[in-house]
Amino acid sequence: QKEVEQDPGPLSVPEGAIVSLNCTYSNSAFQYFMWYRQYSRKGPELLMYTYSSGNKEDGRFTAQVDKSSKYISLFIRDSQPSDSATYLCAMRTPGGFKTIFGAGTRLFVKA
Amino acid sequence: GAVVSQHPSRVICKSGTSVKIECRSLDFQATTMFWYRQFPKQSLMLMATSNEGSKATYEQGVEKDKFLINHASLTLSTLTVTSAHPEDSSFYICSAPRTSGKVQETQYFGPGTRLLVL
Repeated sequence: QKEVEQDPGPLSVPEGAIVSLNCTYSNSAFQYFMWYRQYSRKGPELLMYTYSSGNKEDGRFTAQVDKSSKYISLFIRDSQPSDSATYLCAMRTPGGFKTIFGAGTRLFVKA
Repeated sequence: GAVVSQHPSRVICKSGTSVKIECRSLDFQATTMFWYRQFPKQSLMLMATSNEGSKATYEQGVEKDKFLINHASLTLSTLTVTSAHPEDSSFYICSAPRTSGKVQETQYFGPGTRLLVL
């Protein structure tokens, strides 16, 4: 079993839809949770960074962490074609220096 | 936000040559940097951890003599692909974690280097 599971998609939605991206994990020691966005042939760009459980909102993006279920989510409201990219979840333990990445979900937002 | 740069962004070389890729943290110091490899439509694969002032730590299955890493300063790490072959063609990405004291905040990625070996 992988430490972090993420559905690779692809996920295709119409413009304006609410997008829900998810990851599950097995290591209960993970405390730091990140979401990265990666456009084709570019390096990943940090979108959201949260510590422990709870929600964090930044513009159209909301990150949720449910540690009891070992489940994290990224919601994108009013999705735009420019949101079309691969979204990677990532997580790390407090004492760990390596970040564990999900496989990435490819998202297509159709105009 | 933090910025990490990579150079070159793209390189094409002949089989058997060596290629050097530079990774720089532009507005913070990084005692550690990470090198990843990514194949098309696949996720990041950690190759090695570059440590300033000491040897790099390689992941299982990654050849140390093939992928030479040098962390020359607190803002620069280099990856040299020695005697490159077509199977080494890939997208190489570095990242640098920004720390606050001894606490690692998060990683910032470079834009990546696309290597094509003919």
